[in-house]
Amino acid sequence: QSVLTQPPSVSAAPGQKVTISCSGSSSNIDRNYVSWYQQVPGTAPKLLIYDNYKRPSGIPDRFSGSKSGTSATLDITGLQTGDEANYYCGAWDSSLITGVFGGGTKLTVL
Amino acid sequence: EVQLVESGGGVVQPGRSMRLSCVASGFTFDDYAMHWVRQVPGKGLEWVSGISWDSGTIGYADPVKGRFTISRDNAKNSLYLQMNSLRAEDTALYYCAKDTVHYYDSNVAFDLWGQGTLVTVSS
Repeated sequence: QSVLTQPPSVSAAPGQKVTISCSGSSSNIDRNYVSWYQQVPGTAPKLLIYDNYKRPSGIPDRFSGSKSGTSATLDITGLQTGDEANYYCGAWDSSLITGVFGGGTKLTVL
Repeated sequence: EVQLVESGGGVVQPGRSMRLSCVASGFTFDDYAMHWVRQVPGKGLEWVSGISWDSGTIGYADPVKGRFTISRDNAKNSLYLQMNSLRAEDTALYYCAKDTVHYYDSNVAFDLWGQGTLVTVSS
């Protein structure tokens, strides 16, 4: 059971927009920054979003993040088949004093 | 080239020890906190341990606390994870990951990951 809750799967057609949610609590998302990762099976995770909404160099602006209270969302617009992957949210938990991740969301581009 | 390269994984019997290493290159290693994150194949990510840039602060996930020890040698651009009293549930792919800041306990923003090293605990 993950500390952060994500939907197991989402899907959308190429060119469309998808939103992936991440639900936490007052000790993690509400109090600390949220990050998002993309992981293609067989490869290491890749940082997409950090500090709730910032994109590392090289990440296209099709990927955007936001946070409100104890929840965060990752939006992906202009979906491409290459976006098919597992997506994870993560945050520091100030009560557990550990890093915590969501269980992951599998994105299928139909 | 900016990269992290892990080594030291393999098959180990329950109760035995193993030491993982991670060598960094292409960036100023001692400017950043470092972490170990593990992943059971086909499952999600689990934060294991983190260490600040100067080894001044260190933290562990509850499942490994008291059994695992994280350390770093900034002169060698290297991160380590000493794993003792290994259990079957420690079986996973272990990733070394670079933080974006000095201190390990502020976020989980890891902008560089190694390829992972597989640890299998089995008799």
